[in-house]
Amino acid sequence: DTAVSQTPKYLVTQMGNDKSIKCEQNLGHDTMYWYKQDSKKFLKIMFSYNNKELIINETVPNRFSPKSPDKAHLNLHINSLELGDSAVYFCASGDRERADTQYFGPGTRLTVL
Amino acid sequence: GQSLEQPSEVTAVEGAIVQINCTYQTSGFYGLSWYQQHDGGAPTFLSYNALDGLEETGRFSSFLSRSDSYGYLLLQELQMKDSASYFCAVRDNTDKLIFGTGTRLQVFP
Repeated sequence: DTAVSQTPKYLVTQMGNDKSIKCEQNLGHDTMYWYKQDSKKFLKIMFSYNNKELIINETVPNRFSPKSPDKAHLNLHINSLELGDSAVYFCASGDRERADTQYFGPGTRLTVL
Repeated sequence: GQSLEQPSEVTAVEGAIVQINCTYQTSGFYGLSWYQQHDGGAPTFLSYNALDGLEETGRFSSFLSRSDSYGYLLLQELQMKDSASYFCAVRDNTDKLIFGTGTRLQVFP
């Protein structure tokens, strides 16, 4: 299937742990994004990579580190998880020239206990 | 700061027409997009306006007035499956997509 995929779909973990979320797109896009959606459904950009180069780095704690091994993959690693990190994390992809049109993955619901 | 304001909730009955407004204040503006998100699902792109006027895509239309920093999404012949949250979004001058606060649409039979 042609899509943006993320794993895992659900992630439940204890405070202080380190976890990773993986994202892959097979749409041939040159840009990938990570978004955080909080409990009030507010959707906010965290990071963006264009052809493996970091182009957007919002004010997020440095416990969050994105990694893009190639333009089809963008992973998110989170160190020392905190309660406030609980949210749904969406990966998205698109072409930089058409950044208004983005294709989202199914999301990863992270719950920190 | 940057902000996109939308009504928090709209209700309507099947077959009706509903309009979801969006006013924006952003650093730079390339266009206004609309996304749909069902509960538990991912945002899905619906439409995009770069120029003033109305864009029609089936039952959905989107309007933009750049001079008023205002746009709306018009949904016609509402169906139960249209019950979802709708987000407007603006690409700013750093190529970030800034999302609105979201409008929850509930369609009743």
